[in-house]
Amino acid sequence: AQTVTQSQPEMSVQEAETVTLSCTYDTSESDYYLFWYKQPPSRQMILVIRQEAYKQQNATENRFSVNFQKAAKSFSLKISDSQLGDAAMYFCAFREYGNKLVFGAGTILRVKS
Amino acid sequence: NAGVTQTPKFRILKIGQSMTLQCTQDMNHNYMYWYRQDPGMGLKLIYYSVGAGITDKGEVPNGYNVSRSTTEDFPLRLELAAPSQTSVYFCASSPGLATTDTQYFGPGTRLTVL
Repeated sequence: AQTVTQSQPEMSVQEAETVTLSCTYDTSESDYYLFWYKQPPSRQMILVIRQEAYKQQNATENRFSVNFQKAAKSFSLKISDSQLGDAAMYFCAFREYGNKLVFGAGTILRVKS
Repeated sequence: NAGVTQTPKFRILKIGQSMTLQCTQDMNHNYMYWYRQDPGMGLKLIYYSVGAGITDKGEVPNGYNVSRSTTEDFPLRLELAAPSQTSVYFCASSPGLATTDTQYFGPGTRLTVL
């Protein structure tokens, strides 16, 4: 079974600075998808960014980008120019067969003004 | 479109009681899912469905039942509530297995079993 590990329970960043959230995963599959979801205090799950494993180019969505290292099975999220609204729990997720998601335990991101 | 809706938003149950968590999506999605999120943890898959009349177990199915009689609805049934089922429950849906398919989540139901 696939596993997803987020080793940072909590991170802090100063407003306007850059922060990187770590994620590693374990799988024997060669083609798969990885996601970062944001969960603010409202509990709503919001898709931040998606990476397809067969694409070597790292995904980017505005201030959010990933560093995907397939051989190392690493998938980190970089948030640039951090804003107060970025404060949330962030989950890394792996999509396995049947479009089922396996989630990591999450990282709480705090943004200081 | 309302997307994925869940009712109720909050519920307190006594041990041994039963209840049904409702989930409805108006996007004509084939795939639907139920996850639970325990405090400080990630989401874990309880059950999923690939279409009306078809359901299958996820990682943590014990203590739950589901049915899928229509494309729109995917209710989750708790028969004998236990304190271990205290959690936040999320329903999600996706169109299918296409490479671009994303799961869309409902707002969640916070359940407390005392």
